[in-house]
Amino acid sequence: DAGVIQSPRHEVTEMGQEVTLRCKPISGHNSLFWYRQTMMRGLELLIYFNNNVPIDDSGMPEDRFSAKMPNASFSTLKIQPSEPRDSAVYFCASSFGQRDNYGYTFGSGTRLTVV
Amino acid sequence: GENVEQHPSTLSVQEGDSAVIKCTYSDSASNYFPWYKQELGKRPQLIIDIRSNVGEKKDQRIAVTLNKTAKHFSLHITETQPEDSAVYFCAGPNTGNQFYFGTGTSLTVIP
Repeated sequence: DAGVIQSPRHEVTEMGQEVTLRCKPISGHNSLFWYRQTMMRGLELLIYFNNNVPIDDSGMPEDRFSAKMPNASFSTLKIQPSEPRDSAVYFCASSFGQRDNYGYTFGSGTRLTVV
Repeated sequence: GENVEQHPSTLSVQEGDSAVIKCTYSDSASNYFPWYKQELGKRPQLIIDIRSNVGEKKDQRIAVTLNKTAKHFSLHITETQPEDSAVYFCAGPNTGNQFYFGTGTSLTVIP
């Protein structure tokens, strides 16, 4: 298995532009998570899906952020419009099973820089 | 994370010494406790986990202990080596399927 695949690895964009991050979870995993990592705030959970359905999006910073999971093998995180404070590493992770059963497998992350 | 506290935030040890990192949690229903290691510029990776039906689990030089009464679990690394230098995160589950991570411990092993 190739693991959790994220694209792009790096993204540099100008303030106000739309940014779309992509994730392909491990085949067979039924839960998918989006995290944001910064030095100041650590690893923050943004949203998670179970069986393609968003379960908890309380961590999404504001309406500029949106996430979709149209099928079991693909998810996107979109920021529109982007701002410099959105600069961070965005990780996607997937797991199998319900609560307390399994740990996550993380993707390599997307390093986003908004200038 | 809102329901996980991790200490210390930084830790320096001499090569060959032991390192201990501790996390406390608030959700008494928690029964799965993972630890992740993140090397500089890389993704967090699961290194060891423990379920509430055991008090300790070992995997070579790393071990995790769990005290459910006191609501804390600890990562122990023995005979530390320079390649153990990284940031270590504990994680605690919320009411759903997601994990909230501790603030991380930056471990430096001095050769």
